[in-house]
Amino acid sequence: AQSVAQPEDQVNVAEGNPLTVKCTYSVSGNPYLFWYVQYPNRGLQFLLKYITGDNLVKGSYGFEAEFNKSQTSFHLKKPSALVSDSALYFCAVRFPYSGGGADGLTFGKGTHLIIQP
Amino acid sequence: NAGVTQTPKFQVLKTGQSMTLQCAQDMNHEYMSWYRQDPGMGLRLIHYSVGAGITDQGEVPNGYNVSRSTTEDFPLRLLSAAPSQTSVYFCASRIQARLDRLSGRGAFFGQGTRLTVV
Repeated sequence: AQSVAQPEDQVNVAEGNPLTVKCTYSVSGNPYLFWYVQYPNRGLQFLLKYITGDNLVKGSYGFEAEFNKSQTSFHLKKPSALVSDSALYFCAVRFPYSGGGADGLTFGKGTHLIIQP
Repeated sequence: NAGVTQTPKFQVLKTGQSMTLQCAQDMNHEYMSWYRQDPGMGLRLIHYSVGAGITDQGEVPNGYNVSRSTTEDFPLRLLSAAPSQTSVYFCASRIQARLDRLSGRGAFFGQGTRLTVV
């Protein structure tokens, strides 16, 4: 069964410093990988995805993620954090072309990112 | 604005009551799903649908029913609410996998329904 792990419940970063939010996955084959962000009392918003190709994926709001197949990781990064980046971040995985089975995203537990002024 | 609309935004139920959480999307998406979000557990799939008239169970289906009579609507029914169903519920929709691979974003999410069962 596929699973996603976000090992940190919370990450604290000073404004202007680089940030990393970690994600590892356990699934056979070549999954699709996603990052979503959730602001308070809001739904999830898409940040970026990896399907195939370049291991470094660029997304919204200056975020990027690095896919590492050997380590089965998909860490979210940003070179310079903003206070407005403070939110709950979810990593998710889905098999490609999954139509007959459980057609849904498997989410990690989420990581609270707190950017301190 | 195009998107996924959930109603109500907030609801308090007594144990044993029933209710329906509404979800509608106007993007002509084939796939729709219901998730529940609980602290420290991420989002878990309750039920999903790959098209009108077709539904299936996800990871945590017990206590919930769904139907998909139209492409646009995917209501979630709680038949007899229990305190364990206190959660935030999200509806999501997406295009078919082949198109999503090219240009999609995995899923579009509604803003959620915060349900409390007392």
